[in-house]
Amino acid sequence: DVKVTQSSRYLVKRTGEKVFLECVQDMDHENMFWYRQDPGLGLRLIYFSYDVKMKEKGDIPEGYSVSREKKERFSLILESASTNQTSMYLCASRMGVGLGDTQYFGPGTRLTVL
Amino acid sequence: SQQGEEDPQALSIQEGENATMNCSYKTSINNLQWYRQNSGRGLVHLILIRSNEREKHSGRLRVTLDTSKKSSSLLITASRAADTASYFCATEDNYGQNFVFGPGTRLSVLP
Repeated sequence: DVKVTQSSRYLVKRTGEKVFLECVQDMDHENMFWYRQDPGLGLRLIYFSYDVKMKEKGDIPEGYSVSREKKERFSLILESASTNQTSMYLCASRMGVGLGDTQYFGPGTRLTVL
Repeated sequence: SQQGEEDPQALSIQEGENATMNCSYKTSINNLQWYRQNSGRGLVHLILIRSNEREKHSGRLRVTLDTSKKSSSLLITASRAADTASYFCATEDNYGQNFVFGPGTRLSVLP
């Protein structure tokens, strides 16, 4: 059974802190994604990676960076957390770039920045 | 970028009734996918329909796609309380580079 796990379900941080969100998939997928989800805005793509050490900016990369040192792990980093980064963060993975491949999502991390 | 937009934003029905949700998008697509999200959880893939298909079924789910109107609908028949969730459409273009989610429809099925 496919599995995408995220390091925390809930996280509370203070403004200015450095925050790491970890995502691990066990499906040997090439592609991994980080989204943030806000009410009324749906899911917005922050960054994605199509291979180890490769990354591409999504629609809203400002204030975020990512790291993919191993195929199964994709980390989202908030260098200096701000209150407007309070959100639900969802990680997803996908086999390849074949059209129609399903994205598999983790359970999400609800981050609150005080 | 293209964007799927679901309609209505929220829908409340009685158990046993059918639920219909609509999705509109702006540009050409290769496929459209529907996902479900239970409260506070990740998304789960439900069904995919390709641009050359008009209708697809999976259990109690029926999806239609009208590329001339750039719209899709998701019908859940004989709804159950367990169908209570948010439903999102996501569109993918022909280059596999844009995978865009709409804001979702929140469905409540009352027992």
